[in-house]
Amino acid sequence: KAGVTQTPRYLIKTRGQQVTLSCSPISGHRSVSWYQQTPGQGLQFLFEYFSETQRNKGNFPGRFSGRQFSNSRSEMNVSTLELGDSALYLCASSSLGQEPNNEQFFGPGTRLTVL
Amino acid sequence: GQQVMQIPQYQHVQEGEDFTTYCNSSTTLSNIQWYKQRPGGHPVFLIQLVKSGEVKKQKRLTFQFGEAKKNSSLHITATQTTDVGTYFCAGYSGTYKYIFGTGTRLKVLA
Repeated sequence: KAGVTQTPRYLIKTRGQQVTLSCSPISGHRSVSWYQQTPGQGLQFLFEYFSETQRNKGNFPGRFSGRQFSNSRSEMNVSTLELGDSALYLCASSSLGQEPNNEQFFGPGTRLTVL
Repeated sequence: GQQVMQIPQYQHVQEGEDFTTYCNSSTTLSNIQWYKQRPGGHPVFLIQLVKSGEVKKQKRLTFQFGEAKKNSSLHITATQTTDVGTYFCAGYSGTYKYIFGTGTRLKVLA
């Protein structure tokens, strides 16, 4: 099975811009979760999607949004970027809601730098 | 909101010594997962614990889930340099959201 892929791997943006990150889950997985990882805050949950529906959302401002397509691929968008948005954005796919074992498979992440 | 604390934040051990990291949740969990992240890498799933008091072993790694399902531990016996990385616990309360602990960064000195 192919693993979770994320594009792009690296991104440099300036304050005020917006960015869209993409995640392709493992075939058959319908749950996609997004996390923000920073040295100071660790892994923070952003949101989780299942069959195109957002089932939960973390404590992030409305500038952070996401969506999931019918093929389970997911995108997240950050508008009006701030310096503090610089982080590694990780997406994880799983069978959460489909099977009892909900092992999360993480992608390599997108390293976003905001200047 | 739900919080998952993990201690210690850092641990340096000599190769061959044992290592333990502890995870405590502010709420009762449905299950808990453990992940390992190597430097420059992404988290990789190690194990999931579901039952109260559950103990699972993977070679030199022993995982425990507390009786109250609010705490967990990971113990590594006789550490090796390949054990280097950050170990995270992730607690699940049944709302399609895993809350990750702050992580324990392990360094193994040869």
